[in-house]
Amino acid sequence: DAGITQSPRHKVTETGTPVTLRCHQTENHRYMYWYRQDPGHGLRLIHYSYGVKDTDKGEVSDGYSVSRSKTEDFLLTLESATSSQTSVYFCAISAGTGSSGANVLTFGAGSRLTVL
Amino acid sequence: DAKTTQPNSMESNEEEPVHLPCNHSTISGTDYIHWYRQLPSQGPEYVIHGLTSNVNNRMASLAIAEDRKSSTLILHRATLRDAAVYYCAHHIIQGAQKLVFGQGTRLTINP
Repeated sequence: DAGITQSPRHKVTETGTPVTLRCHQTENHRYMYWYRQDPGHGLRLIHYSYGVKDTDKGEVSDGYSVSRSKTEDFLLTLESATSSQTSVYFCAISAGTGSSGANVLTFGAGSRLTVL
Repeated sequence: DAKTTQPNSMESNEEEPVHLPCNHSTISGTDYIHWYRQLPSQGPEYVIHGLTSNVNNRMASLAIAEDRKSSTLILHRATLRDAAVYYCAHHIIQGAQKLVFGQGTRLTINP
């Protein structure tokens, strides 16, 4: 599936525990993104990366941190999970603006996180 | 901040055309308009994109208003496999590139 995998695919955890979601790509793409998907809100950008060790906040970054120590991996960490972070998390990758002018994203299959 | 709005749901019949609207009144002159769709239990997938001109590909057509404050994704002949959630998005070029999505339209296709 276009060389992007997310792990774990499902996780149940308790409030206050740390959680790390991993996104791994084999496409050598520059850009990587973390979105969360919730009913009524669609896809909201949490954090994104435009290169190794280059990251920035999205629209819903509070309570989340990210790291990208190598091109292929982008980690999303919830330092102390809360019930409001129960969601489906999608990683996406892109090569950036190509000749068509489009920054086409390829998404992973998603990670469903439940915080009790 | 950039914002897109879409109807929550739409319904159509098989083999009929479907027009999915999106409003993006805050779009800047350099932002591309993207459409993605999400089939059940899958991640979103790219459908089409455009800047100012109407665009066609094998999946769909994209009609962009002259003032670029709205766009319409057109499925010319819907099939049951087109039932999905369709997302409109801004591609913000300024600074590090990112896409900002709307809340999506759930499309139901009746046989």
